[in-house]
Amino acid sequence: EVHLVESGGGLVQPGGSLRLSCAASGFTFSTYEMNWVRQAPGKGLEWLSYISRSGTTIYDADSVKGRFTISRDNAKDSLYLQMNSLRAGDTAVYFCARGRFGDYFDHWGQGTLVTVSS
Amino acid sequence: QSALTQPASVSGSPGQSITISCTGTSSDIGGYNFVSWYKQHPGKAPKLIIYDVSHRPSGISNRFSASKSGNTASLTISGLQAEDEADYYCSSYTSTTTLGVFGTGTTVTVL
Repeated sequence: EVHLVESGGGLVQPGGSLRLSCAASGFTFSTYEMNWVRQAPGKGLEWLSYISRSGTTIYDADSVKGRFTISRDNAKDSLYLQMNSLRAGDTAVYFCARGRFGDYFDHWGQGTLVTVSS
Repeated sequence: QSALTQPASVSGSPGQSITISCTGTSSDIGGYNFVSWYKQHPGKAPKLIIYDVSHRPSGISNRFSASKSGNTASLTISGLQAEDEADYYCSSYTSTTTLGVFGTGTTVTVL
């Protein structure tokens, strides 16, 4: 069974940094493209970042370009999101999701909450 | 990127059918067959219920069906049940940004 488990969320001050992790199991991680999607409290879904199977191709939403960096370690079956220069508007639940570029997400993690506040 | 437009809420009685629309442009829904739909209960992760316009993943009830016409995609839930109460989001590939776009979301209420 496919499992995606996010971790690393928490309370951080504006301007601070945080690194999210997503541990994958139940499938061959290195053969799947991965993504990060977030959802602000009471709001809709926002596709943030995409990474190819090998990690050589990355796409980011304009809202996080230059501040957030997606990466993966196929040897550790793990996906990461390095978040820098955090703003109050980045407060959200962050989901990792398995899915091909431009297509659908067939499995999601349970999400991890990031709160940016002083 | 601009979100796809969905009605904020749709309601129906048990056993009835409801349809949720998702309106985009020729740069997303109208131009590609990469439309998907997700169901999300409060506080939970979204769950894929439709992919590539009208395909159901394994294990998804055939009460869920979907289609698209022009720049609008539609999700129909037939034989409405209490467990169908949730938020529903559409999503599509778009040529205007590097990543896809989600809809604004629709809350389904079973009366």
